[in-house]
Amino acid sequence: DTEVTQTPKHLVMGMTNKKSLKCEQHMGHRAMYWYKQKAKKPPELMFVYSYEKLSINESVPSRFSPECPNSSLLNLHLHALQPEDSALYLCASSPKTVSGHGPQYFGPGTRLLVL
Amino acid sequence: SQKIEQNSEALNIQEGKTATLTCNYTNYSPAYLQWYRQDPGRGPVFLLLIRENEKEKRKERLKVTFDTTLKQSLFHITASQPADSATYLCALIKAAGNKLTFGGGTRVLVKP
Repeated sequence: DTEVTQTPKHLVMGMTNKKSLKCEQHMGHRAMYWYKQKAKKPPELMFVYSYEKLSINESVPSRFSPECPNSSLLNLHLHALQPEDSALYLCASSPKTVSGHGPQYFGPGTRLLVL
Repeated sequence: SQKIEQNSEALNIQEGKTATLTCNYTNYSPAYLQWYRQDPGRGPVFLLLIRENEKEKRKERLKVTFDTTLKQSLFHITASQPADSATYLCALIKAAGNKLTFGGGTRVLVKP
């Protein structure tokens, strides 16, 4: 299995809702990532998990809460989002090489609309 | 501040010609540079990785060069095909850590 899957594909939520995005990979990768991508912009890193531990948080607001239950799963819990949080949320994984610089494999993303 | 710049204007090219994309960076000392392809509404797909001590890398019709003196990478698609139409992103990574920083991307349109 050489792909990263993300669910749901699309999500519409109100500003008072709580929802979760899910990401799964079965490639044995030990680094997993969340990115946010606005239209016509490049992906922006949000969080990095390395061996199921949070290693990078790019000063993301607390209304985004990541979770890595095991080496194959990555969740992003959403609560009290703002309309400007509407974007494509991408999950990625990469092999944890000694140098940590392997290619990243991206999922298809979750298109989020906050009303 | 650190900047990674790609030509924001779309590159229109005739089928069969070579497309050349540029990635320039400032205030950055990357150890690695990667190129990705992204189609609309999809996640980026890894294409090539080149290390700071490598000058050139090839994969099928793709070629990447990396000049750390000029702080520039060139990405070439030879014998371009309409299926090569996509946005191409360069991404830099420092020696320590696994944080990728992307350039703005260049959209390529190959016309038959």
